[in-house]
Amino acid sequence: DQQVKQNSPSLSVQEGRISILNCDYTNSMFDYFLWYKKYPAEGPTFLISISSIKDKNEDGRFTVFLNKSAKHLSLHIVPSQPGDSAVYFCAAALTGANSKLTFGKGITLSVRP
Amino acid sequence: DARVTQTPRHKVTEMGQEVTMRCQPILGHNTVFWYRQTMMQGLELLAYFRNRAPLDDSGMPKDRFSAEMPDATLATLKIQPSEPRDSAVYFCASGLVRDGETSTDTQYFGPGTRLTVL
Repeated sequence: DQQVKQNSPSLSVQEGRISILNCDYTNSMFDYFLWYKKYPAEGPTFLISISSIKDKNEDGRFTVFLNKSAKHLSLHIVPSQPGDSAVYFCAAALTGANSKLTFGKGITLSVRP
Repeated sequence: DARVTQTPRHKVTEMGQEVTMRCQPILGHNTVFWYRQTMMQGLELLAYFRNRAPLDDSGMPKDRFSAEMPDATLATLKIQPSEPRDSAVYFCASGLVRDGETSTDTQYFGPGTRLTVL
């Protein structure tokens, strides 16, 4: 049973536009959420995170929004660039639970020039 | 430039053979994770270690998989005997849990080992 769900396997956007990547989770105990980015033939790299005490965290072009009541988070990339084309994984954790991350299946983002 | 390294990067083997994958965590990191990526399941946690001691290997098929940390600079994941359904990319990641804390903030992934079992 997938506790972290990324229901859209792919997304294509025009360069300069906003990319919105969605993620849903089922375990209400999760209190820390992360996004990882993965290029082909490389390992995932940490992108941005958010604690459940916040509803928004921003880092440059990347913003993560958390809606705890809906058990939903989203990653916004503005403006999108061709170099953002990659697979994006959403992950969730219970802090204090020894760092165990539960990942979604990933979303493939393509940014068209 | 501190990185997690994994060897081999690619491995093709025949069903029934033993496979050993190696990982060198970032120097100073005290937590090591093994993940498997497949199209169907995405990234699954197989096992992880803190200060070389196994903390959780519930994601690992016990009958054929084993994970160890012979020392702080080496983690191994072994499959014996291998089966075609084990074909996947296996990632190692490391992190640091500081004194007084209970979890890492970030996990740093290696480039992965792509395993193909024929």
